[in-house]
Amino acid sequence: GEKVEQHESTLSVREGDSAVINCTYTDTASSYFPWYKQEAGKSLHFVIDIRSNVDRKQSQRLIVLLDKKAKRFSLHITATQPEDSAIYFCADMNYNQGKLIFGQGTKLSIKP
Amino acid sequence: EAAVTQSPRNKVTVTGGNVTLSCRQTNSHNYMYWYRQDTGHGLRLIHYSYGAGNLQIGDVPDGYKATRTTQEDFFLLLELASPSQTSLYFCASSEGRGRGAETLYFGSGTRLTVL
Repeated sequence: GEKVEQHESTLSVREGDSAVINCTYTDTASSYFPWYKQEAGKSLHFVIDIRSNVDRKQSQRLIVLLDKKAKRFSLHITATQPEDSAIYFCADMNYNQGKLIFGQGTKLSIKP
Repeated sequence: EAAVTQSPRNKVTVTGGNVTLSCRQTNSHNYMYWYRQDTGHGLRLIHYSYGAGNLQIGDVPDGYKATRTTQEDFFLLLELASPSQTSLYFCASSEGRGRGAETLYFGSGTRLTVL
């Protein structure tokens, strides 16, 4: 079945630097790629997504890049702040199957 | 903001026990999901539903049953709980398909411990 691999299990960056989290997927029919954030001890919430008809999307300090040929997508967080510390999950969806498949999660720590 | 409420927040049972996890969403969403979260595995889909009376099998369904009794209510049943089912369980809902409709709204989670 479909797999989403999240390459970094942990990531530590200095406050103000950029953080990059990478994911790969296996299903060539996947066309929707969201990211979710889970702060310590809390539930998950949506942060940004990208669809297969574009290769870049930005929302404030968050940038998502999609490389369909390589079946790879990434989340870039610029000018990181302490509140960016969390676990980030990538996911993908094949609309024929109608379900979101999540990666393993990346724990991002922002150092002062 | 979509509201998804899970109960109980915490549950401890013994091996072979019978457990029901409840989820209610009050936003008239069509889709509901049960995931389990385990370190190293991320979130894995157990069962999901397109609407009342509908049930779809997820990626890790063994040992779990689910039932969608109404549009609002989705239950996860563990009839013979095993220690391998110790996990953090999340329920989520979404409107459906199409721009913005796939966004999942998660409940606060149920921590289940099977002794």
